[in-house]
Amino acid sequence: NAGVTQTPKFRVLKTGQSMTLLCAQDMNHEYMYWYRQDPGMGLRLIHYSVGEGTTAKGEVPDGYNVSRLKKQNFLLGLESAAPSQTSVYFCASSYSIRTSSNQPQHFGDGTRLSIL
Amino acid sequence: GNSVTQMEGPVTLSEEAFLTINCTYTATGYPSLFWYVQYPGEGLQLLLKATKADDKGSNKGFEATYRKETTSFHLEKGSVQVSDSAVYFCALRVTQGGSEKLVFGKGTKLTVNP
Repeated sequence: NAGVTQTPKFRVLKTGQSMTLLCAQDMNHEYMYWYRQDPGMGLRLIHYSVGEGTTAKGEVPDGYNVSRLKKQNFLLGLESAAPSQTSVYFCASSYSIRTSSNQPQHFGDGTRLSIL
Repeated sequence: GNSVTQMEGPVTLSEEAFLTINCTYTATGYPSLFWYVQYPGEGLQLLLKATKADDKGSNKGFEATYRKETTSFHLEKGSVQVSDSAVYFCALRVTQGGSEKLVFGKGTKLTVNP
């Protein structure tokens, strides 16, 4: 049971470099989310998607872009990495309200990203 | 707006001690409430949930009751084990414009010593 898979697990970047984090889920979930986790801040929502081809901004979207070209994948991009983006990034997925209400979000194991 | 305030940690207990982690929330409407647990090096896992007032969620010896009158969802366990050492997050789910979002508290780190 793969669930939610994030790649890579670790990455170190230099300021100004770009990269893409990949999230894949095999549960046929409609909704997908990207969060960042920082010490003392809990999890904050970056972007989310309610279905293939749709994306929306969360609480802290600046400096990030996302794409949902396939239902099972949700990509998070950093166009020009900054030290303030050093964090642990979590992807999550869930069923839509219409499919199944009151279902929880399922989380990946995270990507630890350091920007030097 | 929607927000979650939970007890700041870290919390350190001895094995078999009683655990309470306080959580209060502010929300419009009647959100569903969750406790998630994060073990070292892992993602978040759902621990328990409650979807309406007076519901009690329970799992693995943990319990929390949805109290609308006090807007609280405190996590309790009667006898903690070393394996319960983790970070615990309280969260509420809001539905807006046909989509759902989770709003998390800042997390409470629990360490249980043998």
